[in-house]
Order: sequence, then structure tokens, then C-alpha cells
Amino acid sequence: ETGVTQSPTHLIKTRGQQVTLRCSSQSGHNTVSWYQQALGQGPQFIFQYYREEENGRGNFPPRFSGLQFPNYSSELNVNALELDDSALYLCASSSYRRGQGGELFFGEGSRLTVL
Amino acid sequence: KQEVTQIPAALSVPEGENLVLNCSFTDSAIYNLQWFRQDPGKGLTSLLLIQSSQREQTSGRLNASLDKSSGRSTLYIAASQPGDSATYLCAVKKIQGAQKLVFGQGTRLTINP
Repeated sequence: ETGVTQSPTHLIKTRGQQVTLRCSSQSGHNTVSWYQQALGQGPQFIFQYYREEENGRGNFPPRFSGLQFPNYSSELNVNALELDDSALYLCASSSYRRGQGGELFFGEGSRLTVL
Repeated sequence: KQEVTQIPAALSVPEGENLVLNCSFTDSAIYNLQWFRQDPGKGLTSLLLIQSSQREQTSGRLNASLDKSSGRSTLYIAASQPGDSATYLCAVKKIQGAQKLVFGQGTRLTINP
């Protein structure tokens, strides 16, 4: 059983550019969510995808967008990068069942630096 | 709005000691509470998950308790080792709205040999 994998592990971009981060869910999981973790802070929820549709979003602007594919892998896209977007981006997968709180499993993250 | 607080922000203890990390949350309407470990620059490793109907969970030297009515959880680490040095994060999953995790800011733990 493979865990959650993310790519790339590190990347550097400049202000105004666009970035795509990728995540492969743990085998058997149907839900993926993305979190942003600034240095020294706890992770902040960006959004969650279930059955290829966004079903929850945190307090992030529309330039943060995502996709979930039929194999439950996912992408996080950030347009018009700003310096404050520099952070560790974490992907988590879980098995969603209505009315229950499943355990989340996280990947190693993608470290984004915006110059 | 759910808020999660972890105290202390940092803790340094000698090897072999038993220790307790604290987590408090403001809204008791939660599905579950999860404790994670994070090594510097790395992702999150799930340590223990406590469902809202449970009082505690144990895994090896770790024991986590949950008192939903008072909005508190503790993570007890027995016989601490230098390898336990990491940041420990607690997170609650809310019942209403998106099933997102709301995290505390973490406790940075250092175990001195």
C-alpha cells in the first residue's frame, strides 16, 4: 500500500508566475484536501475534493484552484503568485463517509518559495 | 469559529521523562481529534485519532485523551527519547461545513540526551 506522494518537493518561482503542485492519494482513498503551512504556523485548510468536485473551501482567494482526477490524484494550481504564497503545501487523503470523520494521511509536502 | 490552541509553544525536557502536551478547542461540535508529529521541513505523520465518542487512544508510549465537553485533549508521552524531538500538532475535524481539519500552532518538543 503506497502512501500519499507529492511533487515536486521543492520549487522556486517569481512573483506573478503560476505553479502546479501534484498529489497522489493513498490507495483506497476517495477524498483529497490541500493545506498551506507557513513557517512556524499550523496548516491552514485550502480546499477539499470528493468525486472530482470541490466540496469545501477555506479562506483562500480564487487564484487558488484545484482538480481531482478519476484515479483520485489531485492538482493544486496557484496563479499570480505573491510573496506570501511562500509556504509548505500539504496534500492529505482520506476515505469520506457521510456522517463520519475519517483519518487524514498527509504527504511530505511541496516547499514553494516565491521571490 | 473553531479555534485550536496548544500550550506550551515549546518544551525541552531530559531524556526519560514522562510529559504531557496540551490542546484546547473552542467548539465541541467535532467528529474527531487527531494528533500529528512533524519533523523539520517534513510532512505530517498521524500519531493518534480519537473519535468524538471516545475518551482516549493508545499507541505504544503515546496516550491521547479527549474531553469534548471541556474542549481539551492531552498527548502523554512516556519515557521520552531523543528521537521524539519534533513538533506535535493537534487538529479537530468540525461537524458542520467542509470536513476540514483545524490545527493548533503546535508544540515544539526537544528531548535532551
